[in-house]
Amino acid sequence: NAGVTQTPKFRVLKTGQSMTLLCAQDMNHEYMYWYRQDPGMGLRLIHYSVGEGTTAKGEVPDGYNVSRLKKQNFLLGLESAAPSQTSVYFCASSLYPPWDNYGYTFGSGTRLTVV
Amino acid sequence: DAKTTQPTSMDCAEGRAANLPCNHSTISGNEYVYWYRQIHSQGPQYIIHGLKNNETNEMASLIITEDRKSSTLILPHATLRDTAVYYCIAITSGTYKYIFGTGTRLKVLA
Repeated sequence: NAGVTQTPKFRVLKTGQSMTLLCAQDMNHEYMYWYRQDPGMGLRLIHYSVGEGTTAKGEVPDGYNVSRLKKQNFLLGLESAAPSQTSVYFCASSLYPPWDNYGYTFGSGTRLTVV
Repeated sequence: DAKTTQPTSMDCAEGRAANLPCNHSTISGNEYVYWYRQIHSQGPQYIIHGLKNNETNEMASLIITEDRKSSTLILPHATLRDTAVYYCIAITSGTYKYIFGTGTRLKVLA
């Protein structure tokens, strides 16, 4: 099993460009999450999904949109990239909610630089 | 969610037990304590979690004080591969927005 796969692994964008980060999981997990991690900081939740066709805002949702059209995929979109969105983005999934499971499975991250 | 406080960094000799403390003095009765670690720049890895009782798995042990205001993650025989940032998180039943703080940077020394 591949677990949680994130593509791309690295990307450089110019300010104002758009892009989509793809997260795919093959564990039939119900719940999926997008986090960002800035240097010297912990992870902050951007958006999450509690099942196919659902999305919800996390702690820092501004400037991002998400979609969960298929259970196995969770897409994170940047419509108009800004330098403040330079970060490492992690996707995670879990079979059960955060308070009732044996932890999330995280992807290896996407390192995004906006110039 | 309860705020957790951890030391910024710790060192541990290889082969010795690593004891990582976490303070969560404002924790409520329905908040779980979860531990994750992040090795270098990889995605975080789940280690263990608990509510009231002490817990043990193949990776570590979690000791939660009786008043639940603090906990300790124990890696019984630390190896160089355990060098990582360790996060202690309090997760409330029913919420998705919990906080990964800055964690404890554990360095295992040869």
